[in-house]
Amino acid sequence: SYELTQPPSVSVSPGQTASITCSGDNLGDKYASWYQQKPGQSPLLVIYQDNRRPSGIPERFSGSNSGNTATLTIRGTQTMDEADYFCQAWDSSIVFVFGGGTKLTVL
Amino acid sequence: QVQLQESGPGLVKPSQTLSLTCTVSGGSISSGSYYWNWIRQPAGRGLEWIGRMYTSGTTNYNPSLKSRVTMSVDASKNQFSLKLTSVTAADTAVYYCARGYGSGSNNWFDPWGQGTLVTVSS
Repeated sequence: SYELTQPPSVSVSPGQTASITCSGDNLGDKYASWYQQKPGQSPLLVIYQDNRRPSGIPERFSGSNSGNTATLTIRGTQTMDEADYFCQAWDSSIVFVFGGGTKLTVL
Repeated sequence: QVQLQESGPGLVKPSQTLSLTCTVSGGSISSGSYYWNWIRQPAGRGLEWIGRMYTSGTTNYNPSLKSRVTMSVDASKNQFSLKLTSVTAADTAVYYCARGYGSGSNNWFDPWGQGTLVTVSS
């Protein structure tokens, strides 16, 4: 079955750039989406179709996808960006698969 | 703006059937090229997609759960439902409903419901 692998945690200082990776076999041949989940809340779509931002998502959020890795980049990271981030892709074997999630700490 | 809200029992006994309903407001469940999903998250863990349903009746289920899952839709009530049979403690999780959009390998979930905790215990 298809798997997506994320680092368990990433730390960043306020104002700096955070990069969260998501790895999977030939992930670049698929489309990746990213979700932000704050404690006690439901996931929020922040990136879809590799690099598109839904309405209302700040411009500091961006995405890329190539080869075996999709990357979520947060420029000028703010304390409000501290959350868990999950990547998601589609695979014919399971239909939808999520990465294990990355806890972003802003300190 | 479309909103989703899950409802159902918060406690289910082992071996019994978990039943949840998602009510869609702010738009018709039958409009657009959307499909309707159930996704779950055990405490402190990641997300697991359970299944999706189109209002046409077409369904797709996670192979790991397929033998125990049934989804249905009631367009007249703007609701869709999940049934998961023969539950065990491993099915304890927060269950989310979410709207899906896309085709082929290009798909995403937006928006999500607030989630409902279902505990399997005697």
